[in-house]
Amino acid sequence: DSGVTQTPKHLITATGQRVTLRCSPRSGDLSVYWYQQSLDQGLQFLIHYYNGEERAKGNILERFSAQQFPDLHSELNLSSLELGDSALYFCASSVVSNTNYGYTFGSGTRLTVV
Amino acid sequence: GIQVEQSPPDLILQEGANSTLRCNFSDSVNNLQWFHQNPWGQLINLFYIPSGTKQNGRLSATTVATERYSLLYISSSQTTDSGVYFCAAYAGNNRKLIWGLGTSLGVNP
Repeated sequence: DSGVTQTPKHLITATGQRVTLRCSPRSGDLSVYWYQQSLDQGLQFLIHYYNGEERAKGNILERFSAQQFPDLHSELNLSSLELGDSALYFCASSVVSNTNYGYTFGSGTRLTVV
Repeated sequence: GIQVEQSPPDLILQEGANSTLRCNFSDSVNNLQWFHQNPWGQLINLFYIPSGTKQNGRLSATTVATERYSLLYISSSQTTDSGVYFCAAYAGNNRKLIWGLGTSLGVNP
């Protein structure tokens, strides 16, 4: 157990629907990062939050949004889902907002859009 | 932008063999990291190695930042080493971690 908890582990939903993925960072970590990994592709950075504030944005679609709550857990909302959104979604946490520390990843949420 | 290239893209080993995975970056980067994604999809941080050499059991990593590359050594490979190995780094003031496409490693018993 890495200490980063992601729920649900698997999600199957239909096109056009909206889903929410949840991430609880390791105890003491203030930063949460979201990544998308599609089939046969590397990890695509989506967004980074530090202590409730958005710090960096990657290739995140307008249909996707995220937030980090006061208790530091984060949610990634995916709406108007398309078949191409099927992917493994990871969150990672680290203790600080700068680049001097490694990440700890959760086990991911596998999203299948049918 | 910064490119992170990994080689080889695929590698098959016999159990017990040694291997070296390489990560090249096109410009100066910061805080290079190596990750292992196991066949079940779980991502594990192996090394945070901005420069120098680190060892952890049968794995070791070396980063030569001035020459823009990092190497991951796997000795006496085991079937549990199978999976995809990623390197990733930050570039300049960019707060996004830039990832290579990974080396897919299969270790046969």
